[in-house]
Amino acid sequence: GDSVTQMEGPVTLSEEAFLTINCTYTATGYPSLFWYVQYPGEGLQLLLKATKADDKGSNKGFEATYRKETTSFHLEKGSVQVSDSAVYFCALSGVSGGSNYKLTFGKGTLLTVNP
Amino acid sequence: EAQVTQNPRYLITVTGKKLTVTCSQNMNHEYMSWYRQDPGLGLRQIYYSMNVEVTDKGDVPEGYKVSRKEKRNFPLILESPSPNQTSLYFCASHPAGGMSYEQYFGPGTRLTVT
Repeated sequence: GDSVTQMEGPVTLSEEAFLTINCTYTATGYPSLFWYVQYPGEGLQLLLKATKADDKGSNKGFEATYRKETTSFHLEKGSVQVSDSAVYFCALSGVSGGSNYKLTFGKGTLLTVNP
Repeated sequence: EAQVTQNPRYLITVTGKKLTVTCSQNMNHEYMSWYRQDPGLGLRQIYYSMNVEVTDKGDVPEGYKVSRKEKRNFPLILESPSPNQTSLYFCASHPAGGMSYEQYFGPGTRLTVT
């Protein structure tokens, strides 16, 4: 079945540092790929997405490129801020059993950014 | 405002006492799902629904029930909660069709079963 493996962390960075969170996946077909973010005490928000190979998703300074040849969707940001402290989830969407359009999530990466 | 709402946001209960967590969406989405989030495990799908009166099991359905009598509502029912169902629960919805199957999540319900 589908699976997502992401860097588990926790990751601790200083403000303005470069961020990479690795994500690789296993899936049949051509899934869409997502990064969701969960700020402390809140629900999940979509951060960015990519629907086909070589697409780059971007939002709020974060970027990720859908690499089919390496089955990867690594999250990057050039200069993190304290407000980026959160848990980040990589996910893919696929169809299970012909009708279940579910998301398969990685285990999440806790990012803490210190001033 | 387009949103998914859940109630209650926090719930502490005792083993065996039936409870219902409500979920409602105002986006006219066909698909709705319930997920649970546990440390080190990420989110796992409990049940999903493709439309009114059509539901099916996800990856971890044991101990849960759902119903979909109206398109906008998808309650999660724990008829006899146990401590291993202590978790953070999310409801999600998305429209049929489209390219990405992006799902929209509610704010979560933190359940503690003692």
